[in-house]
Amino acid sequence: QQQVKQSPQSLIVQKGGISIINCAYENTAFDYFPWYQQFPGKGPALLIAIRPDVSEKKEGRFTISFNKSAKQFSLHIMDSQPGDSATYFCAAREGGGADGLTFGKGTHLIIQP
Amino acid sequence: GAVVSQHPSWVICKSGTSVKIECRSLDFQATTMFWYRQFPKQSLMLMATSNEGSKATYEQGVEKDKFLINHASLTLSTLTVTSAHPEDSSFYICSARNQRGTYEQYFGPGTRLTVT
Repeated sequence: QQQVKQSPQSLIVQKGGISIINCAYENTAFDYFPWYQQFPGKGPALLIAIRPDVSEKKEGRFTISFNKSAKQFSLHIMDSQPGDSATYFCAAREGGGADGLTFGKGTHLIIQP
Repeated sequence: GAVVSQHPSWVICKSGTSVKIECRSLDFQATTMFWYRQFPKQSLMLMATSNEGSKATYEQGVEKDKFLINHASLTLSTLTVTSAHPEDSSFYICSARNQRGTYEQYFGPGTRLTVT
């Protein structure tokens, strides 16, 4: 059972455009939702994270939108750059912080110059 | 801050041998570390949770006798793949949970294991 569903699987965006990646979850015990960026052969790097008590969080060009009632959250990358080309994973964790992360299947993002 | 290292970065071993992978939190203490496995072009799958000073907790379907985990200090966890087989070839990534603040998990750079 896939607990975090991520879409699209791949995405091509023109330089300067907005990249949008979506995730949905079912487990209402999740209370922490991070996004990770991964380059080939490297470990994931934490980009930005949100908790369900806020609907939006922005850090630089990255924004998370969170819809608790719909159990959905998304990552928006503004002014996308070729250096943003990577695989992006959404994840979720149950309350308390003791558990490991449940990851979405990933989105391969390509920013065309 | 929040740097996690892994050693080795890649390893090739023969079928039937054992391989140890180290995970260290360099600038913070981590009573909890996690081990993930990632096959090519796939997502990360949690294998086990490593707690300092106690036995690891394994996810369903992960053989605890094959993947031995030791978390002997607040900054070091090790994963030993015993009697490795070609199907164990994968990218193994650890993460460490920061005990302070909001419990973010920071990932190491990963270890590429190839079993021939």
